Amino acid sequence: SQQGEEDPQALSIQEGENATMNCSYKTSINNLQWYRQNSGRGLVHLILIRSNEREKHSGRLRVTLDTSKKSSSLLITASRAADTASYFCATDGGGSGTYKYIFGTGTRLKVLA
Amino acid sequence: DAGITQSPRHKVTETGTPVTLRCHQTENHRYMYWYRQDPGHGLRLIHYSYGVKDTDKGEVSDGYSVSRSKTEDFLLTLESATSSQTSVYFCAISEFPGQVFNQPQHFGDGTRLSIL
Repeated sequence: SQQGEEDPQALSIQEGENATMNCSYKTSINNLQWYRQNSGRGLVHLILIRSNEREKHSGRLRVTLDTSKKSSSLLITASRAADTASYFCATDGGGSGTYKYIFGTGTRLKVLA
Repeated sequence: DAGITQSPRHKVTETGTPVTLRCHQTENHRYMYWYRQDPGHGLRLIHYSYGVKDTDKGEVSDGYSVSRSKTEDFLLTLESATSSQTSVYFCAISEFPGQVFNQPQHFGDGTRLSIL
């Protein structure tokens, strides 16, 4: 079963608005990562947040992590049409030594110009 | 962009035929991964490799085998393809994740495989 589950499954907003996506996971983690996938392309790494961090920023991206609730959120501010993509969270499952990354099912974001 | 090439990019084949997908990297990364992506399932790990000739199973390894004879190449083989293996297959690489998994994965652009 998937470690991460993103919510909502799909999101449609107007250009300039903020977009928030959530990820829930099941087991303890060392870190959580967010990726973007444009249509027909591979995933691109956006940001990594460690389990001892609560918030991290990168440009227009803001990620929060709440390990007590086993959840993370990705906020994209001032969205652009180019942000249209699917967004995935990925976790390591707590570092059992097997080095397997576990991906969620993704949020499809559509930014309307 | 990380130097990852997947081949072929598209393939259509018939049930029961063998299929081999290739992932080639120029980054000299130790770890390589094969995923499949299906609607409603996200990315699921098939197999991964942590060094030459060192591989391990993922979540959905049944019906798949892998080989890694060189650092730069990771092959995924479907010995006898079935229609349920129709999917988009992605290769990813990463540096040694370490004890705190602080390395991102870099992905190829995928192989779209259709099995009729």
